[in-house]
Amino acid sequence: KAGVTQTPRYLIKTRGQQVTLSCSPISGHRSVSWYQQTPGQGLQFLFEYFSETQRNKGNFPGRFSGRQFSNSRSEMNVSTLELGDSALYLCASSGGLTTGELFFGEGSRLTVL
Amino acid sequence: AQSVTQLGSHVSVSEGALVLLRCNYSSSVPPYLFWYVQYPNQGLQLLLKYTTGATLVKGINGFEAEFKKSETSFHLTKPSAHMSDAAEYFCAVCEGSSGYSTLTFGKGTMLLVSP
Repeated sequence: KAGVTQTPRYLIKTRGQQVTLSCSPISGHRSVSWYQQTPGQGLQFLFEYFSETQRNKGNFPGRFSGRQFSNSRSEMNVSTLELGDSALYLCASSGGLTTGELFFGEGSRLTVL
Repeated sequence: AQSVTQLGSHVSVSEGALVLLRCNYSSSVPPYLFWYVQYPNQGLQLLLKYTTGATLVKGINGFEAEFKKSETSFHLTKPSAHMSDAAEYFCAVCEGSSGYSTLTFGKGTMLLVSP
């Protein structure tokens, strides 16, 4: 069974640009969550989607957005990039139950120059 | 609001020694608790989880953790460290009553294993 796939794995952008990251969940999983990981703030929850609906959202500015498609694949977008957006962005999928067991991808490492 | 505190950003042990990584949580409702491990340049892998039932939970790679409600703790242990255990470990809490798969993570503890 294939795991969670994130693309691209690495990318470099400059301030003011926008970026779109993609996540393909484990087959059959309908929930996709996104986390930002930085050395200073650790792992912070961005948002969670279930069956194309955003179910929960973390405390991030509106520049961070996401969506989920009918095949459960998800994308997140960051507009008007800032230096502080440099981070590892992790996607996780689950079956959508309340157990909280998440299966993580290897992440997309974004560097903003 | 729920929160997780991991004592010690770095823990060093010798190969073969006991591993103890500490985690304390706060939650207004009975929590679900997790330990994840992250190897360099990789995502997080679930080590073990506590939802309900037995408070001593066994996970992969010989790790185990005990849920102590009175101490609001969920410390991770392994009797004998191996070089391959060197990684960063994250404790996380989920308020299952929320119905959502949203985890609150601790800051992480880097485990260093020396020969």
